[in-house]
Amino acid sequence: SQKIEQNSEALNIQEGKTATLTCNYTNYSPAYLQWYRQDPGRGPVFLLLIRENEKEKRKERLKVTFDTTLKQSLFHITASQPADSATYLCALNSGNTPLVFGKGTRLSVIA
Amino acid sequence: GAGVSQSPSNKVTEKGKDVELRCDPISGHTALYWYRQSLGQGLEFLIYFQGNSAPDKSGLPSDRFSAERTGGSVSTLTIQRTQQEDSAVYLCASSPATGAGRAPFFGQGTRLTVV
Repeated sequence: SQKIEQNSEALNIQEGKTATLTCNYTNYSPAYLQWYRQDPGRGPVFLLLIRENEKEKRKERLKVTFDTTLKQSLFHITASQPADSATYLCALNSGNTPLVFGKGTRLSVIA
Repeated sequence: GAGVSQSPSNKVTEKGKDVELRCDPISGHTALYWYRQSLGQGLEFLIYFQGNSAPDKSGLPSDRFSAERTGGSVSTLTIQRTQQEDSAVYLCASSPATGAGRAPFFGQGTRLTVV
């Protein structure tokens, strides 16, 4: 069955460092991979989308890579700030299928 | 409104009762999704609607769950004879259309507690 794994439930890093979150998937050939941010008591908020034929996508301090051979995406936040503390979700889909989400990684940026 | 609106924000119900959860999508969005998120779990797909097409109900966990979308806008998720394992946050999302690459906009969710 399709499976999405995000490398860890929680990640703690020092302010100013780069946070790197991992999303691995199996039994799936997604056309698109998306990353979302979720704060407590809120719904997920879309951050970035990367297509299967793209290797890397950037937006301000965010960078996403997509390796369809390794079946993996890496999500980087550079110069991290305490305000970046949240849960980050990766999600996949292709064609007209609904998004399938990972369980998320809870990031804590410590001042 | 400007975003996806869900009501109620919180609902406590007794086991065995029926509940209705409401979602007002962003105006003009033809695709509407329901997900649920249990404590410490990822989002679990339940159902989605796209325009006048038959909804994809493949994620509904049992026949106690149903949803409808009236007039291509407001949607209601109904859970009959609620069980304690139904306790979760139910999230609604909408997007301009289905199809890969369309990032849905989520509401804040309805937190359902079955006691």
